[in-house]
Amino acid sequence: SQLAEENSWALSVHEGESVTVNCSYKTSITALQWYRQKSGKGPAQLILIRSNEREKRNGRLRATLDTSSQSSSLSITATRCEDTAVYFCATDGDTNAYKVIFGKGTHLHVLP
Amino acid sequence: EAAVTQSPRSKVAVTGGKVTLSCHQTNNHDYMYWYRQDTGHGLRLIHYSYVADSTEKGDIPDGYKASRPSQENFSLILELASLSQTAVYFCASSDLAGNERLFFGHGTKLSVL
Repeated sequence: SQLAEENSWALSVHEGESVTVNCSYKTSITALQWYRQKSGKGPAQLILIRSNEREKRNGRLRATLDTSSQSSSLSITATRCEDTAVYFCATDGDTNAYKVIFGKGTHLHVLP
Repeated sequence: EAAVTQSPRSKVAVTGGKVTLSCHQTNNHDYMYWYRQDTGHGLRLIHYSYVADSTEKGDIPDGYKASRPSQENFSLILELASLSQTAVYFCASSDLAGNERLFFGHGTKLSVL
């Protein structure tokens, strides 16, 4: 089973709306990362939130981390068509500090 | 911005043939990774390395070998390519151990026929 997993396979919103992608994970972690992958490109990190942090912002992006429920969310406000991408959460490997394990991703479609 | 370059960008291979995917980074990063991406599976870790001349198995190493001849270069080798290895392969690097930012290449699309 996945160590980290987004809760939705796909989401659609209209431009200008807000959207939230959720992630749950199974082990204690040092940090949780959110990545975005646009079509034909490699993933690019959006936010890294450490286990002692509850919230992190990056422009229109806001990530939260709840270690008690082992969950995280990534919210995007004022969405744009160029936000269309696959969003991944990623965490530590369960027994190996060198590993970064990705969820299966959420496909976000922002419609005009 | 950190740079990770993969070659080739795409490749068609025959079943049973040998395939080598190359990755080069100019970031002075110690840590390098090979991931495989398939629809419905996200990114899965194949091999990784934290120092030259040493590689470690990831979560799905079977059928793959890795080589790290220098800090900058990390190769993924399929000695006997199989149909099931058709996928997009991503190389990544990071400058810190553990759960830190990964810088990815553009990927190599491999089709095994």
